[in-house]
Amino acid sequence: KAGVTQTPRYLIKTRGQQVTLSCSPISGHRSVSWYQQTPGQGLQFLFEYFSETQRNKGNFPGRFSGRQFSNSRSEMNVSTLELGDSALYLCASSLVLAGGSSYEQYFGPGTRLTVT
Amino acid sequence: AQSVTQLDSQVPVFEEAPVELRCNYSSSVSVYLFWYVQYPNQGLQLLLKYLSGSTLVKGINGFEAEFNKSQTSFHLRKPSVHISDTAEYFCAVSGADKIIFGKGTRLHILP
Repeated sequence: KAGVTQTPRYLIKTRGQQVTLSCSPISGHRSVSWYQQTPGQGLQFLFEYFSETQRNKGNFPGRFSGRQFSNSRSEMNVSTLELGDSALYLCASSLVLAGGSSYEQYFGPGTRLTVT
Repeated sequence: AQSVTQLDSQVPVFEEAPVELRCNYSSSVSVYLFWYVQYPNQGLQLLLKYLSGSTLVKGINGFEAEFNKSQTSFHLRKPSVHISDTAEYFCAVSGADKIIFGKGTRLHILP
């Protein structure tokens, strides 16, 4: 089975621009989660999508948004980029049990975003 | 509500010495527990998981963890570390409808 793929792997943007990151989950996984990782704040949860609906949301401003398509692929968008948005953005996919609990998450390699 | 606490942000240990990385959790429902490892400039990789059954779980790279329900802990151990174990380790708990990650523990292997 192919793993979680993220595109692009590296991105350089300018303050004020917007960016869209893409994540393709493992086949059969319907849950996709996004995380931001920085040296100062560590691993922070952005949001989770399950069956095209946002199921959980972290504590990030509305500039961060996402969506999930019917094939479970997900995109994350950041508008009006700020210098502090420079980070490694990780995507993870998982199976979800009937009761709603998630099995282990499988992570992609991440997209390294640099905002200048 | 769930929470995960990794008690040490950094752990230095000499090569070939044993190590224990501590993780405590709280949850009002039954949980699944995981340990992940992240090597520099890579995504997180699953080390081991506890879903049910035996409380001693063995993972990859010689790591193991013990689920202790009464102490709500899931500590990660390795009897003899190698320089290649230098990485950041994350504990995670999956409960009702979400997975929560700890803040991570950096393992520094000293020569």
